[in-house]
Amino acid sequence: SQTIHQWPATLVQPVGSPLSLECTVEGTSNPNLYWYRQAAGRGLQLLFYSVGIGQISSEVPQNLSASRPQDRQFILSSKKLLLSDSGFYLCAWREVLDVDRPYFGPGTRLTVT
Amino acid sequence: AQTVTQSQPEMSVQEAETVTLSCTYDTSESNYYLFWYKQPPSRQMILVIRQEAYKQQNATENRFSVNFQKAAKSFSLKISDSQLGDTAMYFCAFMKHIPGTYKYIFGTGTRLKVLA
Repeated sequence: SQTIHQWPATLVQPVGSPLSLECTVEGTSNPNLYWYRQAAGRGLQLLFYSVGIGQISSEVPQNLSASRPQDRQFILSSKKLLLSDSGFYLCAWREVLDVDRPYFGPGTRLTVT
Repeated sequence: AQTVTQSQPEMSVQEAETVTLSCTYDTSESNYYLFWYKQPPSRQMILVIRQEAYKQQNATENRFSVNFQKAAKSFSLKISDSQLGDTAMYFCAFMKHIPGTYKYIFGTGTRLKVLA
């Protein structure tokens, strides 16, 4: 069966520090991958999605970037965090040939101080 | 642009009663999918129900059902016989086809509290 992992689960970082959040999926090949951010009062905001290794599409211009160095690995990064980057970050995946819903990871709670 | 609107930030319902959560969306597409997700305090996203736009019949999953009005672009969720475990944030989502894949647009959520 497929599983999705995210780490770390919780992170507290000072303003101006770098960020790296990792998401990995097991039990599937060539999934579509997504990064969402959940901020208070704003629902789930799609940040990036990827259809394959090295292929990244950005939805919202911002202080963040994403990379997909391996088929089932999706990384969210920042060179210098802002206070506004605080939030709950969710990674999700879907089967390429399956018109179905996204499966979500457990999320990472990021607090920028 | 495709948007999803949930106009009720918070709602409450007595245990065993019925509650309806509203969702409207905007799209120019004719075929698409709509979803309701539940996010309990654990923050794990759980699929509640899914509706395919080309199906006229409203989807039902046990105590959960939807009222899908395609012409009105409305997709409400009805929870019958509410239980304490239904207390959660509920998100409405729209699946949009884009070249090579799909992306999922979510509303801002409705926080539901079931009262004992």
